[in-house]
Amino acid sequence: DAGVTQSPTHLIKTRGQHVTLRCSPISGHKSVSWYQQVLGQGPQFIFQYYEKEERGRGNFPDRFSARQFPNYSSELNVNALLLGDSALYLCASSLIKGPSSYNEQFFGPGTRLTVL
Amino acid sequence: LAKTTQPISMDSYEGQEVNITCSHNNIATNDYITWYQQFPSQGPRFIIQGYKTKVTNEVASLFIPADRKSSTLSLPRVSLSDTAVYYCLVGDRDRGSTLGRLYFGRGTQLTVWP
Repeated sequence: DAGVTQSPTHLIKTRGQHVTLRCSPISGHKSVSWYQQVLGQGPQFIFQYYEKEERGRGNFPDRFSARQFPNYSSELNVNALLLGDSALYLCASSLIKGPSSYNEQFFGPGTRLTVL
Repeated sequence: LAKTTQPISMDSYEGQEVNITCSHNNIATNDYITWYQQFPSQGPRFIIQGYKTKVTNEVASLFIPADRKSSTLSLPRVSLSDTAVYYCLVGDRDRGSTLGRLYFGRGTQLTVWP
């Protein structure tokens, strides 16, 4: 089975531009989460979607938005890009087995965004 | 959410056992301890999870003392390919952490030398 896939793998943008990152979860997984990882830091939670609804939001400005489609794939959108948005953007999917089971997060390879 | 503290870096040699300790003094009753591994330019990968005492799987062991204020990830006989960043996470398995909201610290950079 294919793992979590993300596109594009690399992206270069300039300040003020807009970017859309895409994620396809593992087949059967209905939860998708997005993380931002700045060099030298651990991943920071941005959004979580489950069954096409936003279930959680991290401490990120409104320039960041996301959505989940009927096939459970997801897009992360970032408007008015800043230099500080340069990072590795990770998508993770999960099966959500139930409240008393550990719902392991399966991460994709990420999209490396560079803002110039 | 309980904050975790790990060493920033560790060095080891091939074939040695490596123990990485994580402190989580404010761990709550319902919190589980989970470890992830991350290679450069890749997403983190689940290694092991535990609640108390000892958990072992095919790649690692997790030791958790009775007071649960710390935990130790043990990697037996490391190889060069174990060079990676290791993250300790603490969270309630029945709440946010189960729904895809993981909170990572800076992790421990393990470097294995030949």
